[in-house]
Amino acid sequence: DTAVSQTPKYLVTQMGNDKSIKCEQNLGHDTMYWYKQDSKKFLKIMFSYNNKELIINETVPNRFSPKSPDKAHLNLHINSLELGDSAVYFCASSHHFREGPSSYNEQFFGPGTRLTVL
Amino acid sequence: SQQGEEDPQALSIQEGENATMNCSYKTSINNLQWYRQNSGRGLVHLILIRSNEREKHSGRLRVTLDTSKKSSSLLITASRAADTASYFCATGGSFGNEKLTFGTGTRLTIIP
Repeated sequence: DTAVSQTPKYLVTQMGNDKSIKCEQNLGHDTMYWYKQDSKKFLKIMFSYNNKELIINETVPNRFSPKSPDKAHLNLHINSLELGDSAVYFCASSHHFREGPSSYNEQFFGPGTRLTVL
Repeated sequence: SQQGEEDPQALSIQEGENATMNCSYKTSINNLQWYRQNSGRGLVHLILIRSNEREKHSGRLRVTLDTSKKSSSLLITASRAADTASYFCATGGSFGNEKLTFGTGTRLTIIP
């Protein structure tokens, strides 16, 4: 009963190929995210969807296209892969909770997909 | 741009000792969160401290927040080998600013 799952766990491919990574969450959360973690462990947001609607797009090359068929799924498709795309990609989900005038969210992460572009 | 920076980048201590990690950030915040990442795994949420809180405890974890200095610290008491991991602070995670901006992380190694 994994909360946030990603497939595949490892992906090795040649430069120029097109590949997809899938993410599913069974937490009933409204918001999902894709993060990229580089070789120096620096983690950066790429995209976020709320109820299938794109709400964050962090200047990611348009070779990256997220797709959310429903609020439990957020897939990431990458066209024309480049060497610099090699990284670990994490999917996450969250649910906002309110306390008075403020709201917060804690994010739940998937196990990651290690992409290696040769 | 990078919001948070953890200090130190790496820390090695003996099992049973306390470990302290610091995080500095640049902009005003609604809350600050700490996450743990075991090697080869995803991040796990540890604790959230709101901007109007100064200190928060959760088990062996103690987090402080000083908004005037734009800094936070994470203290792990009575460390265990299983605490070996990377620890990240993150800001954001509020309505209208849902994304989390992570710091650079502290790699903690507990020596048995």
